Amino acid sequence: GAVVSQHPSWVICKSGTSVKIECRSLDFQATTMFWYRQFPKQSLMLMATSNEGSKATYEQGVEKDKFLINHASLTLSTLTVTSAHPEDSSFYICSARDQGSNTEAFFGQGTRLTVV
Amino acid sequence: DAKTTQPTSMDCAEGRAANLPCNHSTISGNEYVYWYRQIHSQGPQYIIHGLKNNETNEMASLIITEDRKSSTLILPHATLRDTAVYYCIVRVPPFLIQGAQKLVFGQGTRLTINP
Repeated sequence: GAVVSQHPSWVICKSGTSVKIECRSLDFQATTMFWYRQFPKQSLMLMATSNEGSKATYEQGVEKDKFLINHASLTLSTLTVTSAHPEDSSFYICSARDQGSNTEAFFGQGTRLTVV
Repeated sequence: DAKTTQPTSMDCAEGRAANLPCNHSTISGNEYVYWYRQIHSQGPQYIIHGLKNNETNEMASLIITEDRKSSTLILPHATLRDTAVYYCIVRVPPFLIQGAQKLVFGQGTRLTINP
């Protein structure tokens, strides 16, 4: 079945640095991928929709200059958390759907970011 | 997307059937009922979806009431590995509309399977 892979699974970074998270669709092409954030004991919150070859669409309240999204190919989207602060510590999850089929979206395993 | 209401938490004994309810009284005619689950520290996993008929797959069964205002996800023989947060989502499926459609998650039901 279709698989979505995220890398890294976890990362610890210093406050003020930037962190890049990768989301890959392993055996299908995804013109659109989605990025979510999840704080402890809360539900997933959609951050942005990543569109291949064009600008991402951000949800209300999500800073596009802080959370940079690049979707340069049909199998890869990246989320860069710039100038990270401790409040950015969270579980980041991507999803993608094989738009060439009627299957549902698949989710990556998530990336746990800890900013110290 | 129509709003859904789920109990915050439920417990079930291992080996028994787990029945998870979901209310979606404002569902519209072209919206389907979807269920996902999220095991701790993992990404969500698709379980099943349906429009109005009951559905069954290798993971679960989905029972949708005739008026479509509520549904129940049934895990027939729950195991410890079924402990997770279960999300009921109502949406127009991507195969009915052009372009991708985002999934909006509510709070879900935290299901605990006890030995």
